[in-house]
Order: sequence, then C-alpha cells, then structure tokens
Amino acid sequence: RKEVEQDPGPFNVPEGATVAFNCTYSNSASQSFFWYRQDCRKEPKLLMSVYSSGNEDGRFTAQLNRASQYISLLIRDSKLSDSATYLCVVNQNRDDKIIFGKGTRLHILP
Amino acid sequence: DGGITQSPKYLFRKEGQNVTLSCEQNLNHDAMYWYRQDPGQGLRLIYYSQIVNDFQKGDIAEGYSVSREKKESFPLTVTSAQKNPTAFYLCASNFGQGGGVGTEAFFGQGTRLTVV
Repeated sequence: RKEVEQDPGPFNVPEGATVAFNCTYSNSASQSFFWYRQDCRKEPKLLMSVYSSGNEDGRFTAQLNRASQYISLLIRDSKLSDSATYLCVVNQNRDDKIIFGKGTRLHILP
Repeated sequence: DGGITQSPKYLFRKEGQNVTLSCEQNLNHDAMYWYRQDPGQGLRLIYYSQIVNDFQKGDIAEGYSVSREKKESFPLTVTSAQKNPTAFYLCASNFGQGGGVGTEAFFGQGTRLTVV
C-alpha cells in the first residue's frame, strides 16, 4: 500500500457545485495532516491544516478519520479560481518525513 | 521578509555535468527537504534533513547528494549518475519535531532543470 494515496482525477465540476476529495494514508502513527494547493508550474502552498476535530475555513472543510486512516477536503460553492491540483500531505512526525500524495486535479467549469 | 529561496529558477545542464541547486531559508526552521516533480506527477522525496550536519535519503536519492553545514542552507547536487535529471525541483522547510505537531512546510519557488 502506498504511503499516501489520492484519486488523481481530473474532477470536472460546474461552478457553484460542491466537490469532495479523499486521501488515505498507510502509517497509523502519522500525526500531522495538511491540504496543499498547487497551481500549474508553481510551488505548492498550504491550503489548510487538518485537525482531529475537523476544521473549516470559509468554503473549505477538512476532516480526519484516524480509524479509517483518511482525510478529506470539501469545497462548497466552487469558484473558477479553485481550479488547481490539491495535494494531500502527511507528516510522519516520528522521523519528520513529509509525504505528499500525487494530487487530485480539479477543473471548475463555467 | 522571512521565506525560503531557491536559485536559479531555470537551469540548463549538459549531460555528464554535475550541477548544484541552492536552497536558503531565514525562517529558523530545523528541517529541510528536497522534492522532485515530473510533469503531471506528484512530489517525490529526494533527501531531507532534520538538523544541521545530518540528513537522510528519501525515496529517490540515487544520483543526488546534499549537505547541511548551516541551518539556513540545504544545497542539492544533481550528479552525472542521475540518468533522468530533467524535472522541477522543490525545496521546503519546517520546524520539524521541535515545532510540535501540526508544523506545516513552506516551499521555495522551485528550480526547473533541463538537461541539454
């Protein structure tokens, strides 16, 4: 099983719709989880951290399910500017190794 | 302003030559990382360092070397042994274990290396 797995997409979603991504991780000892956004030919940038209790930032909601070892990202009322690749990131705090998923491509359609 | 800087942004190398990519941060981060990204692919870990004078191999270390003589700097050398070096190289840093749980990584703008 890969350390971090994501559906590569692409997800083609009409503007205004709600879209959700999941990401699974293999190391049950992982402690820190993040969602990053990467635009074409740019560096990844932090979108949000994922806390055990779940967290929300405007239209974005992130959740963590430790029992099933996955994290999720929900985007409500999607905008054209949300088109990007979303990377799931797991920090295996034990050895500071940060593992990235391969990313999920999202295209918001006008 | 605090940040992480990679240079150069674009780099061309002839086959058989070694080349060194620079990564400098003034965020007082302990941990630094090098990733490689190929077109349409995710980030793959090359090397990482949790502390000065120490570093570990990532998943694709063959053909690369690093040093961590200073906290602020983590240069990556792409050697002639790397058979397919053309890629986008990203450097990142964070506080590591000392920063506690939830310490996110910050990225430089990347270096695009092309072998000609």
